[in-house]
Amino acid sequence: KQEVTQIPAALSVPEGENLVLNCSFTDSAIYNLQWFRQDPGKGLTSLLLIQSSQREQTSGRLNASLDKSSGRSTLYIAASQPGDSATYLCATFSSGSARQLTFGSGTQLTVLP
Amino acid sequence: GAVVSQHPSRVICKSGTSVKIECRSLDFQATTMFWYRQFPKKSLMLMATSNEGSKATYEQGVEKDKFLINHASLTLSTLTVTSAHPEDSSFYICSARDLNTWETQYFGPGTRLLVL
Repeated sequence: KQEVTQIPAALSVPEGENLVLNCSFTDSAIYNLQWFRQDPGKGLTSLLLIQSSQREQTSGRLNASLDKSSGRSTLYIAASQPGDSATYLCATFSSGSARQLTFGSGTQLTVLP
Repeated sequence: GAVVSQHPSRVICKSGTSVKIECRSLDFQATTMFWYRQFPKKSLMLMATSNEGSKATYEQGVEKDKFLINHASLTLSTLTVTSAHPEDSSFYICSARDLNTWETQYFGPGTRLLVL
């Protein structure tokens, strides 16, 4: 059964810093991996989706990498802003018969002005 | 882009009552919808997968008689929490999968349930 772990659970940084969020997964048989953003009491916003054949995806100040063989993904946020404060979740999409998303527990990011 | 709505966004009810939560895909057809539950500062846990016109598939440990799921059309799935108890208080999120892009799920905004 897939297990997804995110470290750290919480992170606080001053505005302007570059930062990295980590995600690891136990089963490398994935179809893709997604990073989501969740604001307090809200649903999920998809940030980046990396297919299993890809190494990275970029969108604006966000860059996500995927190393399937080692079961790791990172989300890099450049020049962080207070508006980036949220919980960031990674999720793997199984390539097996389950065809479902497995989520990590998230990293709660606070960017201080 | 694909939009999924949930109604209500927040509900408070007394213990023992039943609560229905709706999940709608607004601009696409969703053959499959998923229901998740999220506890404070925890991750989303898949409760069940519902396919249009057939019975839902529940994850291990989820009581199907407690959490009734109906997916009667390609744009609507409902989750009914029957005889709700305080421990059912949680954030419930649905997602819908586009008929044509099966690997992508679009998430609703969630429903906060508080059972007194």
